[in-house]
Amino acid sequence: NAGVTQTPKFQVLKTGQSMTLQCAQDMNHEYMSWYRQDPGMGLRLIHYSVGAGITDQGEVPNGYNVSRSTTEDFPLRLLSAAPSQTSVYFCASNNAGSNYGYTFGSGTRLTVV
Amino acid sequence: AQKITQTQPGMFVQEKEAVTLDCTYDTSDPSYGLFWYKQPSSGEMIFLIYQGSYDQQNATEGRYSLNFQKARKSANLVISASQLGDSAMYFCAMREGRTGFQKLVFGTGTRLLVSP
Repeated sequence: NAGVTQTPKFQVLKTGQSMTLQCAQDMNHEYMSWYRQDPGMGLRLIHYSVGAGITDQGEVPNGYNVSRSTTEDFPLRLLSAAPSQTSVYFCASNNAGSNYGYTFGSGTRLTVV
Repeated sequence: AQKITQTQPGMFVQEKEAVTLDCTYDTSDPSYGLFWYKQPSSGEMIFLIYQGSYDQQNATEGRYSLNFQKARKSANLVISASQLGDSAMYFCAMREGRTGFQKLVFGTGTRLLVSP
């Protein structure tokens, strides 16, 4: 099925470990983005990309790194995990001006202990 | 200042009844879009309905309608004939501007519980 695929669905990390959350879309969308969802809050933007090779910071970028080498893939790297990064992470993609919102992946639930 | 405000942390409704979920927004940009998403217990974000700031008519999608009152800056979601499967978190979100990447700004959500 077409859409946004995120892996893994669940992950437990120890403080200080690094990891990469994978995100791939097959809709040829220009834009991709990463959000995090914390209890009692809506989703907040971490990083985004407007095309291959172009990324920029969102609202809460500290501790995360991204790159976009292809249109399809937009991985999110946690450089040195901290308990404050315990959250649910969503990858999304969209085309400019789309009135149908953003297509979200199914999310990755990350726990940092 | 909060850009999207959802003042109802939780709502209860009986099956087959209608329910309104409130959303107010704050923006000075004349071009913006308003979205509602549903998040069931399984966790995915499901797009429900969209309203553009220049749209003259209120948006409707099946049992979902958006009561858009521009002067009041409100964009309430109305679910008609509630079903048990409507039990979920509901998020209102806004994007601003016309060009370039437009991030979505989310409210804190409303948890809806539909009872038999």
